[in-house]
Amino acid sequence: DAKTTQPPSMDCAEGRAANLPCNHSTISGNEYVYWYRQIHSQGPQYIIHGLKNNETNEMASLIITEDRKSSTLILPHATLRDTAVYYCIVRVGGSQGNLIFGKGTKLSVKP
Amino acid sequence: NAGVTQTPKFRVLKTGQSMTLLCAQDMNHEYMYWYRQDPGMGLRLIHYSVGEGTTAKGEVPDGYNVSRLKKQNFLLGLESAAPSQTSVYFCASREWTAQETQYFGPGTRLLVL
Repeated sequence: DAKTTQPPSMDCAEGRAANLPCNHSTISGNEYVYWYRQIHSQGPQYIIHGLKNNETNEMASLIITEDRKSSTLILPHATLRDTAVYYCIVRVGGSQGNLIFGKGTKLSVKP
Repeated sequence: NAGVTQTPKFRVLKTGQSMTLLCAQDMNHEYMYWYRQDPGMGLRLIHYSVGEGTTAKGEVPDGYNVSRLKKQNFLLGLESAAPSQTSVYFCASREWTAQETQYFGPGTRLLVL
């Protein structure tokens, strides 16, 4: 699986968009980009995933660059409840094995 | 539909004691996983299962055993607990599809004295 690089921490004002970057310069053509988050002490929660096209769901949007070497998770209107550690994971779709969780980005949403 | 549940929520063990952590899912998922998370770290895979009756080692399997006798349950056993096994343990499950959407349980906090 390709390695990912994320900033260790970010701040965001409540009500503003939170843009969380992820670099995955060694990603291969059949690898998906997944985002999970972990709110304090809880189990990780799936947010969104994509292969090459931008994706949007009720939680967030995922923007993947054309060369697929980086992506951005966008929380359009961050709330205090979005304070969490956000993990960017790159993985071949359909693999039997596990997701590899790095240290992620600690997002702090401030009033 | 309870999703993924874990039993117990919290446990204190003495070094050398044994215990079993239970993970149950009601989503008819094929794949199940056990992870551990230490302070300030990401999750690390202990063991996983791709179906009833099957198990496989993950990144940090030493000191743990698992069993998947029923599709809905995945048990994690510690035969002789050590302080290094103090951690938060998360179970997860997912469908056998091309996507990697794993559903996680609430976690079990284990303290080994």
